[in-house]
Amino acid sequence: QITLKESGPTLVKPTQTLTLTCTFSGFSLSTSGVGVGWIRQPPGKALEWLALIYWDEDKRYSPSLKNRLTITKDTSKNQVVLKMSNMDPVDTATYYCAHRTLDSAYYDYWGQGTLVTVSS
Amino acid sequence: QSVLTQPPSVSGAPGQRVTISCTGSSSNIGAGYDVHWYQQLAGTAPKLLIYGNIYRPSGVPDRFSGSKSGTSASLAITGLQAEDEADYYCQSYDSTLSGYVFGTGTKITVL
Repeated sequence: QITLKESGPTLVKPTQTLTLTCTFSGFSLSTSGVGVGWIRQPPGKALEWLALIYWDEDKRYSPSLKNRLTITKDTSKNQVVLKMSNMDPVDTATYYCAHRTLDSAYYDYWGQGTLVTVSS
Repeated sequence: QSVLTQPPSVSGAPGQRVTISCTGSSSNIGAGYDVHWYQQLAGTAPKLLIYGNIYRPSGVPDRFSGSKSGTSASLAITGLQAEDEADYYCQSYDSTLSGYVFGTGTKITVL
């Protein structure tokens, strides 16, 4: 059974760096073809893809946010970490992590999401 | 911002058939990239509904079906039920943006 859960601060100040952790079970990020991505959703708005990391350390970022994003993995802890720098109130959103495989471009398992508010 | 356009809302009576369109361009759907659909019930995370344009994950009722043609894709729900009231998003890949893209989202209301 695959599960994912996001954790991190619920409130960050403008200009700060956000650090979110996705802790998962039921699969390993050392298995060939496996990936974990991050997607966010501002309140009342649509989903937005942010970043993706594969088992082999291949990383992909949203072109519009790539200068602010860093995605890393800790295979031994079954965790993926997303850092987003220079946070702004427009970054207020629910952040989700999700599982996918290399040969598919869809996310088949999602975490419950964590709401991050950016405010001074 | 999204390059995949969906109607903001669609409604139907119980038992009816409704469809949601997802309109893209030659750099995403029209380029041959697959379209996937997600259902998001109020206050919950998205759930994969259709993958690879037409395939249903295990457990998804066959009332849900997907199709793709040219630069667009569609999600159809037959025999609409109250539990289908949710937001629905399409997703694909865009070669110009070099990234994955979601649609603008459609709220299904069961009358």
